[in-house]
Amino acid sequence: AQSVSQHNHHVILSEAASLELGCNYSYGGTVNLFWYVQYPGQHLQLLLKYFSGDPLVKGIKGFEAEFIKSKFSFNLRKPSVQWSDTAEYFCAVIPGSGNTGKLIFGQGTTLQVKP
Amino acid sequence: EPEVTQTPSHQVTQMGQEVILRCVPISNHLYFYWYRQILGQKVEFLVSFYNNEISEKSEIFDDQFSVERPDGSNFTLKIRSTKLEDSAMYFCASSDTLTAGGFYNEQFFGPGTRLTVL
Repeated sequence: AQSVSQHNHHVILSEAASLELGCNYSYGGTVNLFWYVQYPGQHLQLLLKYFSGDPLVKGIKGFEAEFIKSKFSFNLRKPSVQWSDTAEYFCAVIPGSGNTGKLIFGQGTTLQVKP
Repeated sequence: EPEVTQTPSHQVTQMGQEVILRCVPISNHLYFYWYRQILGQKVEFLVSFYNNEISEKSEIFDDQFSVERPDGSNFTLKIRSTKLEDSAMYFCASSDTLTAGGFYNEQFFGPGTRLTVL
């Protein structure tokens, strides 16, 4: 079955530390890849997306992610986190073309940034 | 900035009762979705809707569930006879047309409705 796996459930960092959140998916064909963020009390918002082209994609608020096809991975990175990055982060995949746009989510990673 | 809205924000109901969760997608969007998240679990796809019909539904979306776009602006999810295990946060999402490459665009999510079934 198609699935998305996020390696870390809960990450605690100090401000200015670097962040990398792992995401792996199980689907061999074309994929559309997304990272969504949910700040406390807010709705899910898109951080960045990958459809094709340059595997290193840049998103909002200094986030970036790298698509490594051979590893079925789409890890999220930020060189220096801020307290305001405290949120829950979701990796999500739309597998293949010609489907209905169904997003398959990972279980989410809660990031806590200490000031 | 346009956004997806959902009402109510919290719904408490008795087991066996019908509930209707309402969503107003972004006005020029064409693709509509419902997801749910049971506490402590993943966000799960329920159903997608395009051109006034269901385009895909998950195993969760059984005969107790239905969706409707009654008036061209609202998008509703109805649960006919709620069960305890239906307690979850329900998210509505919408997206606009496919990209030039045929990829599905970003889905915009509403704030969710927390459904509590007693």
